[in-house]
Amino acid sequence: GDSVTQMEGPVTLSEEAFLTINCTYTATGYPSLFWYVQYPGEGLQLLLKATKADDKGSNKGFEATYRKETTSFHLEKGSVQVSDSAVYFCALTRGDAGGTSYGKLTFGQGTILTVHP
Amino acid sequence: GAVVSQHPSRVICKSGTSVKIECRSLDFQATTMFWYRQFPKQSLMLMATSNEGSKATYEQGVEKDKFLINHASLTLSTLTVTSAHPEDSSFYICSARDPRGNQPQHFGDGTRLSIL
Repeated sequence: GDSVTQMEGPVTLSEEAFLTINCTYTATGYPSLFWYVQYPGEGLQLLLKATKADDKGSNKGFEATYRKETTSFHLEKGSVQVSDSAVYFCALTRGDAGGTSYGKLTFGQGTILTVHP
Repeated sequence: GAVVSQHPSRVICKSGTSVKIECRSLDFQATTMFWYRQFPKQSLMLMATSNEGSKATYEQGVEKDKFLINHASLTLSTLTVTSAHPEDSSFYICSARDPRGNQPQHFGDGTRLSIL
């Protein structure tokens, strides 16, 4: 079945440091890939997405590129802020990005990011 | 603003009590909603898929009689934890499938359930 593997945390960085959180996946076909962020005590928010190979998703300074050859979707940010402290989840789903047929989400285990001033 | 509202945000109750959690889609009709459980510092575990007007589909290992799901309207799904015990204490999150296809699901803010 489908699976998502994230780098283990927690990750602790100083403000303005470079961030990479690795994510690799196993799936048949052509899944869509996502990064979600969860702030303390809250639900999940979609951070960015990519629906086909070589697509780059970006939002709030975060980026991730859908690499089919390496089955990866690593999250990066050039300069993190204290407000970026949260848990980050990589996820995939099947379905047509342009339609309404997204299937179930498969999540990675989550990576806790703490950014210090 | 939030498109999925989950209520209550926190519940503390005695062992043996049944607890109902509501999940509402605010600006779209959701034929499909999902219920997740999240343990501390762990990922989300899908418990069940809630389909409007029909029975929920439970994931393997989830007790149907323990976690009752009702999806009686296109904007509301409820999860009832029956006769809750301390081991049921957890963070429960609902989501609703986005009918417009912009993203897979919109998530509620979760319910922290603590059983004493």
